[in-house]
Amino acid sequence: DTEVTQTPKHLVMGMTNKKSLKCEQHMGHRAMYWYKQKAKKPPELMFVYSYEKLSINESVPSRFSPECPNSSLLNLHLHALQPEDSALYLCASSQAQGEAYEQYFGPGTRLTVT
Amino acid sequence: GQNIDQPTEMTATEGAIVQINCTYQTSGFNGLFWYQQHAGEAPTFLSYNVLDGLEEKGRFSSFLSRSKGYSYLLLKELQMKDSASYLCAVTDSNYQLIWGAGTKLIIKP
Repeated sequence: DTEVTQTPKHLVMGMTNKKSLKCEQHMGHRAMYWYKQKAKKPPELMFVYSYEKLSINESVPSRFSPECPNSSLLNLHLHALQPEDSALYLCASSQAQGEAYEQYFGPGTRLTVT
Repeated sequence: GQNIDQPTEMTATEGAIVQINCTYQTSGFNGLFWYQQHAGEAPTFLSYNVLDGLEEKGRFSSFLSRSKGYSYLLLKELQMKDSASYLCAVTDSNYQLIWGAGTKLIIKP
């Protein structure tokens, strides 16, 4: 199974809402990533978890809060977002961080903030 | 600074061959990846090069020259489904993945 799943596929939320994005992989990968991607731009790294611990936070605003409940799951909690946060949010996983392993991406969550 | 350059857009004809170039200047080098991304979908892994030379995988091949900071992705026997963006990404000395902006490839019948 080389699949990374993400839910929901689409999400529309107001600026005062609280919502969560979910990501799951069952490949035994020990590194998991959150990316934000705007149209016609490459993915922009937000967070990296390695062995369920937050390894990298790319100066992401606190209205984005990641969580790694176990080695297979990764959540991104959203609160008080701005319209400019509308984007495709991609989850990815790889065998480990600190090595040049390919990353497997989920299908993404298309987020619209109104 | 870290910099990866790719052409913004390329057009090719169905059945033909196209070469997408990527040049990079990064702090260290631990490999170069090519990903394919169809509009509105997630990137999918195509190839990985860490040593100089050509890696062939079916209709797709990827070449690397570390001394020149240069790679290309070669697509043969182009099909309409190959219309997508192709992203070059380099793993730097900290094993961070540095992404190029991507090349949008348009295939015409």
